[in-house]
Amino acid sequence: DTEVTQTPKHLVMGMTNKKSLKCEQHMGHRAMYWYKQKAKKPPELMFVYSYEKLSINESVPSRFSPECPNSSLLNLHLHALQPEDSALYLCASSQDMTQGLGYNEQFFGPGTRLTVL
Amino acid sequence: DAKTTQPPSMDCAEGRAANLPCNHSTISGNEYVYWYRQIHSQGPQYIIHGLKNNETNEMASLIITEDRKSSTLILPHATLRDTAVYYCIVRVDSSASKIIFGSGTRLSIRP
Repeated sequence: DTEVTQTPKHLVMGMTNKKSLKCEQHMGHRAMYWYKQKAKKPPELMFVYSYEKLSINESVPSRFSPECPNSSLLNLHLHALQPEDSALYLCASSQDMTQGLGYNEQFFGPGTRLTVL
Repeated sequence: DAKTTQPPSMDCAEGRAANLPCNHSTISGNEYVYWYRQIHSQGPQYIIHGLKNNETNEMASLIITEDRKSSTLILPHATLRDTAVYYCIVRVDSSASKIIFGSGTRLSIRP
């Protein structure tokens, strides 16, 4: 299984709602990522988890709260979002090569298209 | 990670080779060159990577200049399904490391 799955595919939420995005992989990867992509722009990194611990937070507002409950699952909890947070949210995973050199290909999911009203 | 410069758009005839250039003049000795592409409404897809030698796989070839300051991604026989945004990225090959995407090249394949 070389796939990263994301649910839901589309999400519409109001500014007072609480929702969660889910990402799953069964490739044994120990690094997982959240990216945000606005229309016609490249993806921008939000968070990196390595061995279920948060290793990089790119100064993301606290209304985005990541969670990595186990090595296969990554969630992004959303609360009190703004309309400008509407975007495609991409999850990715990669092997965490802790010994020696090796390429670090990231496998991306199809994304969740989020609209905040 | 080093910055990259790519042309914003290119087009290529179906069946011909598509050659996508990338400049990375500030690349460091331990940074790899990676290429990803993103087909409309999908997540980015890894294509190929290299350090200093030319590389080839089932999708593409990567030609890196001897001084490593630029590279070219070659799609040998472009098809309509190769229409996508192609991102050239340079990065250190370390665990859980960032990918910083540049603006990429929007490649259009014409029938």
